[in-house]
Amino acid sequence: DTAVSQTPKYLVTQMGNDKSIKCEQNLGHDTMYWYKQDSKKFLKIMFSYNNKELIINETVPNRFSPKSPDKAHLNLHINSLELGDSAVYFCASSQEAVYGYTFGSGTRLTVV
Amino acid sequence: AQSVSQHNHHVILSEAASLELGCNYSYGGTVNLFWYVQYPGQHLQLLLKYFSGDPLVKGIKGFEAEFIKSKFSFNLRKPSVQWSDTAEYFCAVTGSSNTGKLIFGQGTTLQVKP
Repeated sequence: DTAVSQTPKYLVTQMGNDKSIKCEQNLGHDTMYWYKQDSKKFLKIMFSYNNKELIINETVPNRFSPKSPDKAHLNLHINSLELGDSAVYFCASSQEAVYGYTFGSGTRLTVV
Repeated sequence: AQSVSQHNHHVILSEAASLELGCNYSYGGTVNLFWYVQYPGQHLQLLLKYFSGDPLVKGIKGFEAEFIKSKFSFNLRKPSVQWSDTAEYFCAVTGSSNTGKLIFGQGTTLQVKP
């Protein structure tokens, strides 16, 4: 069983479209995260939810909106996609950050 | 500001060579340190972690790292690399004062030649 699963794995879309990426974890972790990995492989946190409550919201455009219907799911919705949004988006979860995160396999978003 | 710096951006080694990847961090307070590996086209996997106790930690696949508090460093080592170690390596830090946010270094690309 996949511990942290993301869908879709690849997403190609046109500028201006709205898209969503889904993430689910079956580890029973309380906290989930979204990270963005840019073309230079740099990883930057975007959001963090703890038991459905938003606890980290980095400087991210308002076009990005996370939604956590329950503690096992954290989805990312992106409105009005721009070329600069092209990246790999990773979902992760942890019970406590001191023990590290478990990452999903990533979603490669390409905006054309 | 909290940050992680990895000195080597791209390392090329021959098989059986020894590896050391540098990592320095800037963080106020108690730290927890990690090394993650990302094989080509795959997700990040935890190699090893330090949060207390023995500063020399051993991880999977023969990797180890040493936490030197006085130098704010957490360097990754492996005595003899294999071609299958070709990957991107990330150092990361979190701690008691940043709501569990994991801050990553910019990564080091390791290429091992057979």
